[in-house]
Amino acid sequence: QLQLQESGPGLVKPSETLSLTCTVSGGSISSSYYYWGWIRQPPGKGLEWIGSIYHSGSTYYNPSLKSRVSISVDTSKNQFSLKLSSVTAADTALYYCARIYGSGRVYYFMDVWGKGTTVTVSS
Amino acid sequence: QSALTQPASVSGSPGQSITISCTGTSSDVGSYNLVSWYQQHPGKAPKLMIYEGSKRPSGVSNRFSGSKSDNTASLTISGLQAEDEADYYCCSYAGSTTLVFGGGTKLTVL
Repeated sequence: QLQLQESGPGLVKPSETLSLTCTVSGGSISSSYYYWGWIRQPPGKGLEWIGSIYHSGSTYYNPSLKSRVSISVDTSKNQFSLKLSSVTAADTALYYCARIYGSGRVYYFMDVWGKGTTVTVSS
Repeated sequence: QSALTQPASVSGSPGQSITISCTGTSSDVGSYNLVSWYQQHPGKAPKLMIYEGSKRPSGVSNRFSGSKSDNTASLTISGLQAEDEADYYCCSYAGSTTLVFGGGTKLTVL
């Protein structure tokens, strides 16, 4: 059974870079028809798609975050990672990684989610 | 890319049916039959309930159904049960390999 697990620092200082990794187990990150994404949820608020990556390394970002986001993949470790630069308190959120079913650069749905990891931006 | 519009809250009594709407634009919901719905219980990760507008993943109760008309998608839950109390989010493919979520709806089972 495919599982995703987020990891990374729970506290980041303002203006610094948030870095998280999602480890995929029980399946291959190189599977066809699947993208790998990051979604976040500020405290008490809704979900926001941050961006996605295909195992080839092709990346796709939310236009509102594009200037600060970088997603990468390491197929040898079955992991993908998120970097968000110049963070502020507004970036405090629960960060989820998820598997996205897609085809031809069209996304269909997210069927497997990690449990999420809380990141707080504070000095 | 603006968030899809959902009612902040809906409620219903056990056994009743409720419908949650999700309104987008001709650039997202209206252009693609790729709306998915997620259920989120407090402290838990979202769970896929409906995909491609009206399809149910294996294991999801047939009390959950989805539909779409023009720029608005809907999730209907029939025969409400206490365990259905949760937050529900719609999500749509929005073109150019992007996704957009709704703001979420809190379902209260009275």
